Amino acid sequence: GPKVLQIPSHQIIDMGQMVTLNCDPVSNHLYFYWYKQILGQQMEFLVNFYNGKVMEKSKLFKDQFSVERPDGSYFTLKIQPTALEDSAVYFCASSLTREGAPLFGEGTRLSVL
Amino acid sequence: AQKVTQTQTSISVVEKTTVTMDCVYETRDSSYFLFWYKQTASGEIVFLIRQDSYKKENATVGHYSLNFQKPKSSIGLIITATQIEDSAVYFCAMREGHNNNAPRFGAGTKLSVKP
Repeated sequence: GPKVLQIPSHQIIDMGQMVTLNCDPVSNHLYFYWYKQILGQQMEFLVNFYNGKVMEKSKLFKDQFSVERPDGSYFTLKIQPTALEDSAVYFCASSLTREGAPLFGEGTRLSVL
Repeated sequence: AQKVTQTQTSISVVEKTTVTMDCVYETRDSSYFLFWYKQTASGEIVFLIRQDSYKKENATVGHYSLNFQKPKSSIGLIITATQIEDSAVYFCAMREGHNNNAPRFGAGTKLSVKP
């Protein structure tokens, strides 16, 4: 079936550095999401994106976070600068419609040292 | 604000039996969409089944079915004839229908299916 791909699967960086997490959504999907999960706990919503715009963001989506999807390529989450508390698994998801169940990628494990 | 609550932290069952996992939600929206996902030991998140608030009939997909009790704001997941490979963490999620809000997840229920 259709898949959401996330690159890389694991990223290790030093605190204060910039990191970009890449997501290749399902090809015809229009709605994109990022979620954060710490230690297999609750999936916490960060941001959703449609038609080139952020539609909604949570309190976890700090000023250091940004998202974009230039010209239909990767949907990216950038964190600049990173902090220790940003260590988590970040899941990208996409859906065809607003009502559709988002399909998830396998996640990128971010370790901030 | 939308909220999803799963009170069962973990459940253990013997294979081939039926298990029910609870989920309650809060919303002021008259239209909403409910989803169940499972997260395997490898971390993969798999969509299982959905229930749209306007549909009265409980959804069924394979050996998954839902117990939708709208007056109680409850959407239980029922797994019949459980298998060892059903062992996973199960998440309930809700999306409101009349705004741009993304789905929100419950804390998850860890299911262990034993021989």
